[in-house]
Amino acid sequence: GAVVSQHPSWVICKSGTSVKIECRSLDFQATTMFWYRQFPKQSLMLMATSNEGSKATYEQGVEKDKFLINHASLTLSTLTVTSAHPEDSSFYICSAKLLAEGGETQYFGPGTRLLVL
Amino acid sequence: GESVGLHLPTLSVQEGDNSIINCAYSNSASDYFIWYKQESGKGPQFIIDIRSNMDKRQGQRVTVLLNKTVKHLSLQIAATQPGDSAVYFCAEKGGDAGNMLTFGGGTRLMVKP
Repeated sequence: GAVVSQHPSWVICKSGTSVKIECRSLDFQATTMFWYRQFPKQSLMLMATSNEGSKATYEQGVEKDKFLINHASLTLSTLTVTSAHPEDSSFYICSAKLLAEGGETQYFGPGTRLLVL
Repeated sequence: GESVGLHLPTLSVQEGDNSIINCAYSNSASDYFIWYKQESGKGPQFIIDIRSNMDKRQGQRVTVLLNKTVKHLSLQIAATQPGDSAVYFCAEKGGDAGNMLTFGGGTRLMVKP
């Protein structure tokens, strides 16, 4: 259980285009999902917290108009990188929060590698 | 600011030996800690967690130790196998950070056959 998927797993696009990344919790419902980005040989940096049915909460320095987040259902959150530029090339990882009797844990998706040419 | 960090960026061990990966945290209000394993090109995989009211927790071949006095967290892997080769991150949650996970810088574990 507690499987999170992402689609696509990797994408190459031209500068100026928009790219949508999907994050799905496959076997549980997640009212909260998180989006991270990770540069090579670095740790994960939280970009935003996605809340089902409400606006996402963005971390300082993350442009909300650049990285659009939609959490329309309890199993799906999407991240759209608008007008992508080469500096947006990165590994984007989502996680979904699972609430259980013992507490809550975040389960991560496999990541989406974005390369902007 | 508050941060979670690691002492060693790379750890090389012989197959079959035990591995110990360390993590120092600075937010004394953190009450929940998690170790994640990340293989190349993949997302982090949950390994084991521990709450601040505990000082030790064991899983299958893994043990997490928490020393709140010195704000230190460690992950012990018994009988390390080649499949354990990955980057390991500790993460903390709680205190002022609320529900947000704060990740350490990561330690690369390399297992030599």
